Amino acid sequence: GENVEQHPSTLSVQEGDSAVIKCTYSDSASNYFPWYKQELGKRPQLIIDIRSNVGEKKDQRIAVTLNKTAKHFSLHITETQPEDSAVYFCAASGYSTLTFGKGTMLLVSP
Amino acid sequence: EAQVTQNPRYLITVTGKKLTVTCSQNMNHEYMSWYRQDPGLGLRQIYYSMNVEVTDKGDVPEGYKVSRKEKRNFPLILESPSPNQTSLYFCASSSTLWGEQFFGPGTRLTVL
Repeated sequence: GENVEQHPSTLSVQEGDSAVIKCTYSDSASNYFPWYKQELGKRPQLIIDIRSNVGEKKDQRIAVTLNKTAKHFSLHITETQPEDSAVYFCAASGYSTLTFGKGTMLLVSP
Repeated sequence: EAQVTQNPRYLITVTGKKLTVTCSQNMNHEYMSWYRQDPGLGLRQIYYSMNVEVTDKGDVPEGYKVSRKEKRNFPLILESPSPNQTSLYFCASSSTLWGEQFFGPGTRLTVL
């Protein structure tokens, strides 16, 4: 089955800095890569996703890049704000299942 | 309002006492799944369903059952709960596997 590795497990930044979270996947058949944000005590919510036929996607301060050859994808958050503090999960999907990474706790200090 | 609901939200039970966690969605989604979330392990898929009467195992199916008799409902059944099933459970639905998963509010289960 698919295996998704996510790094780092914890990331602390100052407000205004950029944050980068990286994921690798094992199954070359995976073709859909979403990122979810989970605030404390709440349910995960989709923030951005990318499909295998696209190399990069941006949405305001958030961007995701995908390198299919190397089987890794990354989340980039620019100009971080305290409300960006949360746990972020990457995921990879093939034909039938969605496999999540273990998560990254992002702490943005004012 | 488009939503995924789960019940109960909190449950404390004892080893061996059968329980069911209900999940319902009102978005006419084909794909539904159950996840458990444990500290340091992220979200792990228990079971999924591509459509009515079609279910399959995820990564951690042992000790769980599901059914999909109606499109909107996808209950999770623990026939004989054990303490290692103490966890936070999320139900999710989406129009397809390759689209946004809408998560329910979660069910915190404690098995004593």
